[in-house]
Amino acid sequence: DAKTTQPTSMDCAEGRAANLPCNHSTISGNEYVYWYRQIHSQGPQYIIHGLKNNETNEMASLIITEDRKSSTLILPHATLRDTAVYYCIEGAQKLVFGQGTRLTINP
Amino acid sequence: GAVVSQHPSWVICKSGTSVKIECRSLDFQATTMFWYRQFPKQSLMLMATSNEGSKATYEQGVEKDKFLINHASLTLSTLTVTSAHPEDSSFYICSARALDPLNYGYTFGSGTRLTVV
Repeated sequence: DAKTTQPTSMDCAEGRAANLPCNHSTISGNEYVYWYRQIHSQGPQYIIHGLKNNETNEMASLIITEDRKSSTLILPHATLRDTAVYYCIEGAQKLVFGQGTRLTINP
Repeated sequence: GAVVSQHPSWVICKSGTSVKIECRSLDFQATTMFWYRQFPKQSLMLMATSNEGSKATYEQGVEKDKFLINHASLTLSTLTVTSAHPEDSSFYICSARALDPLNYGYTFGSGTRLTVV
């Protein structure tokens, strides 16, 4: 079973930063935090992943708390094309998806 | 970047027939591939994990005789849905993990929509 907890849905205005929280309080030392998103009827798209340090790439930033029990995905300037279901997953040998957060970017 | 190709993207088959779905890693070697299914408005459910050259490991509740998985090379895994029935209609998605997961993580295919009539 999935071990992460995310809000069911969130809204964000276009051009603003979207901050998506995730709780992973049972994460073990060798498990990474992965973020993927899925746009309707497509395969999940990789966004970012991290172990304990904050990470940034061209898509997003990942902020992981010092105790590693939660993290936040930040989309710095959300666009309408960022509307999707976002999944936060803790994993090492395989990825088990939870229900994710349905993020809607509003014009 | 890492690319996983899944084929076909959609298929319609008659009840009782078998359907094969292919998953290929195009620019990297994948020691491990995963198969998921997704019903409408639900999340992805992991069905099985396949390692190149060995038998697949199925998640609890997934019938291994119905969903045959073959992972004959480091770039190809196949899922065969045998004796398909309408309740097998779903979106099937594969994922591949590179030899160096720190660089590629897990890459997903674009999915196969199976409709059994």
